[in-house]
Amino acid sequence: GDSVTQMEGPVTLSEEAFLTINCTYTATGYPSLFWYVQYPGEGLQLLLKATKADDKGSNKGFEATYRKETTSFHLEKGSVQVSDSAVYFCALSSGGSNYKLTFGKGTLLTVNP
Amino acid sequence: GAGVSQSPRYKVAKRGQDVALRCDPISGHVSLFWYQQALGQGPEFLTYFQNEAQLDKSGLPSDRFFAERPEGSVSTLKIQRTQQEDSAVYLCASSLAGTRGETQYFGPGTRLLVL
Repeated sequence: GDSVTQMEGPVTLSEEAFLTINCTYTATGYPSLFWYVQYPGEGLQLLLKATKADDKGSNKGFEATYRKETTSFHLEKGSVQVSDSAVYFCALSSGGSNYKLTFGKGTLLTVNP
Repeated sequence: GAGVSQSPRYKVAKRGQDVALRCDPISGHVSLFWYQQALGQGPEFLTYFQNEAQLDKSGLPSDRFFAERPEGSVSTLKIQRTQQEDSAVYLCASSLAGTRGETQYFGPGTRLLVL
């Protein structure tokens, strides 16, 4: 079945540091890939997505590229801010009877000033 | 516009009680999903509706779990004879048409604690 493996946290960085959160997947067919973020006290919200190989999703300074050859969708940001502190979830949907999301376990990011 | 809303936000139940969790999706969204999120884990799929039709319930953990969406908008997830292992956050999500690559919009979740 489908699965997502993402870097286990917690990750602690200083402000303006470079961020990478690794995500790899196993899926049938050609999945769409997503990063969702959960800020403290808030619900899950979409951060970015990519629907086909070599697509790059980007939002709020975050980027991730859909790499079919390595089955990866790593999240990067060049300079993190304290406000980026949150839990980040990598997810995929691969179709079939519906486009349910399969999530990784989440990575807690803490950014210190 | 209004996002996905869920109620109650918190529910404490004694083991063996029945509970009902409500989801109000974004108006006009055809697809509705329920997920269960255990502490420290990612959400896991429970069931899927397209309008009023429940097309996939493969993720429901037991026959104590039941979901409905009778008029194709509001949905209710019911858990009968709750057990301690049912303690989790229950998330509802909706999407416009249920097509490939579409964004799912999540509600704030209902945190269920079974004592």
